[in-house]
Amino acid sequence: AQKVTQAQTEISVVEKEDVTLDCVYETRDTTYYLFWYKQPPSGELVFLIRRNSFDEQNEISGRYSWNFQKSTSSFNFTITASQVVDSAVYFCALIHQAGTALIFGKGTTLSVSS
Amino acid sequence: DAGVTQSPTHLIKTRGQQVTLRCSPKSGHDTVSWYQQALGQGPQFIFQYYEEEERQRGNFPDRFSGHQFPNYSSELNVNALLLGDSALYLCASSPRDRNFNTEAFFGQGTRLTVV
Repeated sequence: AQKVTQAQTEISVVEKEDVTLDCVYETRDTTYYLFWYKQPPSGELVFLIRRNSFDEQNEISGRYSWNFQKSTSSFNFTITASQVVDSAVYFCALIHQAGTALIFGKGTTLSVSS
Repeated sequence: DAGVTQSPTHLIKTRGQQVTLRCSPKSGHDTVSWYQQALGQGPQFIFQYYEEEERQRGNFPDRFSGHQFPNYSSELNVNALLLGDSALYLCASSPRDRNFNTEAFFGQGTRLTVV
């Protein structure tokens, strides 16, 4: 069975702090894709990144970076120098190659105060 | 280019009633998926439509049904509403891609409250 666990329910930081959101996944498939989505209060899920299981290179996009480690089945997300606008719920999700449904974790609510 | 649009944005229904939610996919997308997101939870997959047929279904009862039209837009119908059906219903569209090499684009959702 496939499963995504986001153990951190809520995180509160002060602006300019770095914060890491954890994601641990379970799957028996050798080919799969991992995603991070951001959900602001408006409700829409905003795509942040997609990684496939064969690409373990870490990725950096501005203040965002992602650490994918197959050995620990983790796909962690770090925001550097957090800003108030980063406040949202963040979801990690998994899909296997042959499937069509995203399997989401329960999300981590990030609150950044000024 | 309009993204995924859903209507209505908010809806209040009474237990036992029926509801229809609507979704227009992003231009160029032909596959529509529906998700239910209960408060404080991650989205749960309901079903997916492609070529006007239900291609995959999550663990939801038959009270949840859908339809896809020739223009790729889609409807989600829920019969005999229960209080537990109160949730944010999200529509996602994507181009048909067996390898799912592209991300799904989500709409802003319909907030359904059953009283």
